[in-house]
Amino acid sequence: AQTVTQSQPEMSVQEAETVTLSCTYDTSENNYYLFWYKQPPSRQMILVIRQEAYKQQNATENRFSVNFQKAAKSFSLKISDSQLGDTAMYFCAFMKRGTTSGTYKYIFGTGTRLKVLA
Amino acid sequence: GAGVSQSPSNKVTEKGKDVELRCDPISGHTALYWYRQSLGQGLEFLIYFQGNSAPDKSGLPSDRFSAERTGGSVSTLTIQRTQQEDSAVYLCASRPGLAGGETQYFGPGTRLLVL
Repeated sequence: AQTVTQSQPEMSVQEAETVTLSCTYDTSENNYYLFWYKQPPSRQMILVIRQEAYKQQNATENRFSVNFQKAAKSFSLKISDSQLGDTAMYFCAFMKRGTTSGTYKYIFGTGTRLKVLA
Repeated sequence: GAGVSQSPSNKVTEKGKDVELRCDPISGHTALYWYRQSLGQGLEFLIYFQGNSAPDKSGLPSDRFSAERTGGSVSTLTIQRTQQEDSAVYLCASRPGLAGGETQYFGPGTRLLVL
């Protein structure tokens, strides 16, 4: 069964510094998608970045980038120039194909609570 | 355009009562998911609707939980005879569907408190 592991329950970083959140997953599939979602205190889950497994190039979205190591089944998120607004819970998610053709299911990690310090 | 909406935002109920939670997905999205998020925890998959296919109910924790999706749009999650352990945030997400769009878009959730 697929699993997603986030081994850092809590992290903190000084404003303007860089922080890396780790995520590992387990799967026997070759084609899949990986996501990082942010959940601020408002509770709204917001997509931060996504990665297609067949793409070797790491995804980047402004200050957010990933280090995707397919062989190691690792998908870490790097936040550069951290801002106070980055304070949130961050979830790593793996998308797998369901048993019915064309269906997809998602497995989420338990999250990392990130606090950006002024 | 409008995102995923959920109502109510917060719900307080007494143990043993039934509750209904509503989700309005993004227009045109054919896939709809319900998740439960207990305090400080990750997301627990509950149920998944894809177009007109039979829903994937494999995540429903007991027969007190049910969900339906009428007309391929709005979905209602019903919890019967609520228990205190049902207290959680219930999140709904939608996705464009089979042709593409692997990204889920989430609603703001409904916080349920069972006294």
